[in-house]
Amino acid sequence: QVQLQQSGPGLVKPSQTLSLTCAISGDSVSSNSVAWNWIRQSPSRGLEWLGRTYYRSKWYKDYAESVKSRITINPDTSKNQFSLQLNSVTPEDTAIYFCVRVPELDGSWAPIDCWGQGTLVTVSS
Amino acid sequence: DIVMTQSPDSLAVSLGERATINCKSSQTVLYSFNNKNYLAWYQQKPGQPPKLLIYWASTRESGVPERFSGSGSGTDFTLTISSLQAEDVAVYYCHQYYSTPPTFGGGTKVEIK
Repeated sequence: QVQLQQSGPGLVKPSQTLSLTCAISGDSVSSNSVAWNWIRQSPSRGLEWLGRTYYRSKWYKDYAESVKSRITINPDTSKNQFSLQLNSVTPEDTAIYFCVRVPELDGSWAPIDCWGQGTLVTVSS
Repeated sequence: DIVMTQSPDSLAVSLGERATINCKSSQTVLYSFNNKNYLAWYQQKPGQPPKLLIYWASTRESGVPERFSGSGSGTDFTLTISSLQAEDVAVYYCHQYYSTPPTFGGGTKVEIK
């Protein structure tokens, strides 16, 4: 059974960098049949996909246009985990952040089948 | 981006009665090459991540009670709870995984009348 365990600070100051980690058990970050994603949820923006990383002979990364200039998602094969970094945060980045797993089936993405527990990140001085 | 619009925003249903939630996508989520609708439904309870109920628009996830069913194709979809139970109080979201970025509806809050 796949489990995702999130860690990281719950409070970040404006203009600083939000950093979260998602540790994977029961699967591999280098699996060639899934993608590892970050999603956030806030009252104002609802559920919002931020980006993903996946391995298909090489590493791929896709990011949402809304955060593309500020976001980095990195795999860490030595620790079997992946991370989210969001730079230059503002109070609008206050949200619950989730790491999730998305399988690939027959060359296209399937629905999210595993979620981390969620981390409430508040951007405030 | 595909915009997902849910209705109603909230509904109150008596125990044992039917609850119906609608979801409309701004463009089709039906892939013609495999005739599958790339549409899922999730249930979210307070303090928890969303839980997958239905995928491919009408396939129930393992362990999900039979009172939950999904229907529709193309751009119009419905989640039905045939006989509402107390444990079904939650917010329900539709989700398209047809194209990047994947997007979600705004949610429908289901309560007991």
